[in-house]
Amino acid sequence: DGGITQSPKYLFRKEGQNVTLSCEQNLNHDAMYWYRQDPGQGLRLIYYSQIVNDFQKGDIAEGYSVSREKKESFPLTVTSAQKNPTAFYLCASSIGPLQGEKLFFGSGTQLSVL
Amino acid sequence: QKEVEQDPGPLSVPEGAIVSLNCTYSNSAFQYFMWYRQYSRKGPELLMYTYSSGNKEDGRFTAQVDKSSKYISLFIRDSQPSDSATYLCAMTEGRRALTFGSGTRLQVQP
Repeated sequence: DGGITQSPKYLFRKEGQNVTLSCEQNLNHDAMYWYRQDPGQGLRLIYYSQIVNDFQKGDIAEGYSVSREKKESFPLTVTSAQKNPTAFYLCASSIGPLQGEKLFFGSGTQLSVL
Repeated sequence: QKEVEQDPGPLSVPEGAIVSLNCTYSNSAFQYFMWYRQYSRKGPELLMYTYSSGNKEDGRFTAQVDKSSKYISLFIRDSQPSDSATYLCAMTEGRRALTFGSGTRLQVQP
């Protein structure tokens, strides 16, 4: 069964702590994305990667970091510099780089601050 | 002003009604238009994909794009309680990642 797996489903962060959200895909897609969703707001792009070992900042990259060491994996680290991390985080992938791509999403991770 | 505007709702309709969901946008370069459906606390799933102007139909769903007015619509015929979800429009000119609307919450009452 092909798809995108995000884990954990729920995550809690303490003050000053870095946390990492996992995203794995077995769709053989080249491009992967991280979006943040706040209540009543649309999806905002944090980072995206069009190919292994390469990634670009999105609209709200401050306080976040990513890596793309494998085609299948695109983990997101929420650092202590992100002062308002509580949100629903969505990972997505697409077949190729930006060309009117159709995005396929994972089921999301809800991050909350303790 | 946001690049993509979408009425947040909620929109409440009786079962069997025709639903009209809309987005307006400001960037005339947008040419790929999509509608995603998102159930509560789940990832969005792609419903409709349209390139440039025109209509596209898939079962009970019809997507319309009017580039001259910078306006896109999603129509749902014979709406069902299972259609209750948040509907997100999304678009791109093809060189940047998708720009999403804020989503419209739809409730179909049985």
